[in-house]
Amino acid sequence: GQQVMQIPQYQHVQEGEDFTTYCNSSTTLSNIQWYKQRPGGHPVFLIQLVKSGEVKKQKRLTFQFGEAKKNSSLHITATQTTDVGTYFCAGPPQGGSEKLVFGKGTKLTVNP
Amino acid sequence: GAVVSQHPSRVICKSGTSVKIECRSLDFQATTMFWYRQFPKQSLMLMATSNEGSKATYEQGVEKDKFLINHASLTLSTLTVTSAHPEDSSFYICSARGLFSEAFFGQGTRLTVV
Repeated sequence: GQQVMQIPQYQHVQEGEDFTTYCNSSTTLSNIQWYKQRPGGHPVFLIQLVKSGEVKKQKRLTFQFGEAKKNSSLHITATQTTDVGTYFCAGPPQGGSEKLVFGKGTKLTVNP
Repeated sequence: GAVVSQHPSRVICKSGTSVKIECRSLDFQATTMFWYRQFPKQSLMLMATSNEGSKATYEQGVEKDKFLINHASLTLSTLTVTSAHPEDSSFYICSARGLFSEAFFGQGTRLTVV
């Protein structure tokens, strides 16, 4: 079945440093979605990318969808302590499936 | 964003009893609802997908007789953990999607079986 891999599993940064997490799917995705889960909380939707090669920005966050629609990245510029949490990518396989298969997530900690 | 309400947020039950968890989409019609299980420090593992009015589709390895899912309306899905055992203790999260939309998550339910 479809597998979604995320690296790294953990990332510790100093406040102000940049951070990137990478997501790779074993199958082509119809879209890629990113979620953030704060400690003790539930996943919250951040963004959805649909087009091959698409890049979207949300303030300090930059999301990219690969040309083959099998990989994606999330880059945070100048991290802040409010960025702490686990970032998950998820995507349904191309072909109309409704399933959202999640990566294992990247847990980000930011030292002030 | 849209609101998905999950209830209860925490439940402690005795081994052998059943627990029902509700998931409601408050301001949109959820054509599809998903139930996930999340172990500490791990990702969300999809348990089943349910569409309103039809039987849920369970992922491999998930016992459908143990985890009963009902999606009776476009705004409500329930997960019943039957004959719960300590190994069923976990964080259960539902999510709901309308047509062509992203998933909105409930707040999750922390189940502890003693």
